[in-house]
Amino acid sequence: TQLLEQSPQFLSIQEGENLTVYCNSSSVFSSLQWYRQEPGEGPVLLVTVVTGGEVKKLKRLTFQFGDARKDSSLHITAAQPGDTGLYLCAGSQGNLIFGKGTKLSVKP
Amino acid sequence: DAGVTQSPTHLIKTRGQQVTLRCSPISGHKSVSWYQQVLGQGPQFIFQYYEKEERGRGNFPDRFSARQFPNYSSELNVNALLLGDSALYLCASSSWRVGTNEKLFFGSGTQLSVL
Repeated sequence: TQLLEQSPQFLSIQEGENLTVYCNSSSVFSSLQWYRQEPGEGPVLLVTVVTGGEVKKLKRLTFQFGDARKDSSLHITAAQPGDTGLYLCAGSQGNLIFGKGTKLSVKP
Repeated sequence: DAGVTQSPTHLIKTRGQQVTLRCSPISGHKSVSWYQQVLGQGPQFIFQYYEKEERGRGNFPDRFSARQFPNYSSELNVNALLLGDSALYLCASSSWRVGTNEKLFFGSGTQLSVL
C-alpha cells in the first residue's frame, strides 16, 4: 500500500519555468518532510512542515502543508539546472514513510 | 564533521549468499535507520535502532536483521539473497528523541547487486 502518492512522476522543463509537484495521502501525518536526492547519493532534507496550512520558503522553493495535514506541495520558481534531481516527500507515522518521488529535469 | 558513512559503496553477490552492510552515524547521533531503495522507487523503511535497541521494523522478511553497537554504528545483514534484494541500501542517522520530529541525515548508500 502506497501511503504517499507523488505527482507527476517525471517532469522535464526548461530553465526559467515554474513548476509544482504534489504529495497526497489519505492518512494524516504529524509532520511531512521534503528531500532532494541526486544520482548516487542519499536524500538530503530540504524542509519539515508540521502545522496544517503552514507555508515555508527556501529561496526559490515554496512548501505548503495542507490544512488537514494529509497533503503537501512544492513550488519552484524560475527553475535552474541545479534543481535537477529526485524530489521525495516523507510523512511521519512513527517512522518516515516515503513517496516514490518526482524526477525533475531542468534543461538549460 | 564527518557525515553518515556507509561501507562498502558497491557490492556484487550471488543468489543465496549473505551480506553485511555497515554504517557509522554522525557523531552524537544515537538513532540509526535503514532503508531499501529499489530503482525508480522511494526509500522503504527496514529498521530503526535507538540506543542499541530496535525501535521499529518495516515489512521485510526475517532474512533481514540489524544491530547497533555501543558506539552507535550499525550493521544490516541480509541472508539467503534473492534477485529482488538488489537495491540501494541507505543508512540514516538522527538525534531523534521520543516526541520530536525526526530529521534524517542519509549516507550515500551501498549499491547491492544480486546476480
